[in-house]
Amino acid sequence: DAKTTQPTSMDCAEGRAANLPCNHSTISGNEYVYWYRQIHSQGPQYIIHGLKNNETNEMASLIITEDRKSSTLILPHATLRDTAVYYCIAPHLNTDKLIFGTGTRLQVFP
Amino acid sequence: AAGVIQSPRHLIKEKRETATLKCYPIPRHDTVYWYQQGPGQDPQFLISFYEKMQSDKGSIPDRFSAQQFSDYHSELNMSSLELGDSALYFCASSYRLAGNNEQFFGPGTRLTVL
Repeated sequence: DAKTTQPTSMDCAEGRAANLPCNHSTISGNEYVYWYRQIHSQGPQYIIHGLKNNETNEMASLIITEDRKSSTLILPHATLRDTAVYYCIAPHLNTDKLIFGTGTRLQVFP
Repeated sequence: AAGVIQSPRHLIKEKRETATLKCYPIPRHDTVYWYQQGPGQDPQFLISFYEKMQSDKGSIPDRFSAQQFSDYHSELNMSSLELGDSALYFCASSYRLAGNNEQFFGPGTRLTVL
């Protein structure tokens, strides 16, 4: 898997946008970037993934830089329920296992 | 919508005993993954199966074995349990032909070894 680097923790006020960065400078041209989150002791939950273009779904938006060396996950209106550890993962092309790094612990406060 | 089912949800065993964890994937999903999450740690990949064949292997101890059955459910068998095996064990499933790596995780089995 391409090595990913994320800040250890971030805070966000409820109702504001949460922008979670991820560096993946060693990612290869055809490797996707995936985002998952884990709310305390629950099973990880898929959020979104992308290759080159920006992506949006009902949960979040994913902005990938043109050189693909970094990306940002955006939660447009964070709620208390978004408090979780967010993982940025770039699986190798020939495997579908997920390698979880340390992730970003997002704390949403009232 | 149907989700991944894991049983049991909680399991308490003594050292050197054996344990069997079960996973029932989402209907029509053909791939199953097992992950282990120790206290305060991030999930670690153990093993995966696609169409009943082992497809990938992580840092799974030799004391552990797993298989996927004809109905696609999977079992993780753990023998000679050690205190360090105490962890949350997650199963995830996916549909490989969907062309993405969206894995759906179950609620986990919390194993405590005394």
